[in-house]
Amino acid sequence: SQTIHQWPATLVQPVGSPLSLECTVEGTSNPNLYWYRQAAGRGLQLLFYSVGIGQISSEVPQNLSASRPQDRQFILSSKKLLLSDSGFYLCAWSEQGVGANVLTFGAGSRLTVL
Amino acid sequence: AQKITQTQPGMFVQEKEAVTLDCTYDTSDQSYGLFWYKQPSSGEMIFLIYQGSYDEQNATEGRYSLNFQKARKSANLVISASQLGDSAMYFCAMTGGFKTIFGAGTRLFVKA
Repeated sequence: SQTIHQWPATLVQPVGSPLSLECTVEGTSNPNLYWYRQAAGRGLQLLFYSVGIGQISSEVPQNLSASRPQDRQFILSSKKLLLSDSGFYLCAWSEQGVGANVLTFGAGSRLTVL
Repeated sequence: AQKITQTQPGMFVQEKEAVTLDCTYDTSDQSYGLFWYKQPSSGEMIFLIYQGSYDEQNATEGRYSLNFQKARKSANLVISASQLGDSAMYFCAMTGGFKTIFGAGTRLFVKA
């Protein structure tokens, strides 16, 4: 069966510090991978998605970047965090291919920037 | 551009009664998918139900059904026989191409 792991679960970082959130998927090959951000009490904002190794599409211009160094690994990074980067970050995967595929989410990473 | 609208920030329902959560969408795509996800207070996102744009029958999954009205571009979620464990945030979502976008969500409170 497929599983998705996301870490760290919680982190508190000072403004200007770097960030790295990691997500890995097991039990499937060549998945579509996604990073979403959820502000407190709000909906999910799509940040990045990837349909293959090294292929990253950015949805929102911002202080963040994403990379996919391996087929089932997706990393969200920042060189210098801003206060506005605080939020709940969710990684998700779906079956490869265009269309109506169910998203399976990781447990999320709650980031607080002070 | 695609858009999902959920106009009910919060809803209350009595235990064992049915409740409808509203969702309207906008897209120029002919082929798309509509979803509902549940987010309990733990933060995890749980897939509930899916409806394809070409599906003629409304989707059902246990106590969940999706009332799909294509001409009105609506995809309302109906929860029958509400339970206390149904208290959560509910998000309507749409997939077109590789992307899935979400609405702002509706917080459902089930009263005993």
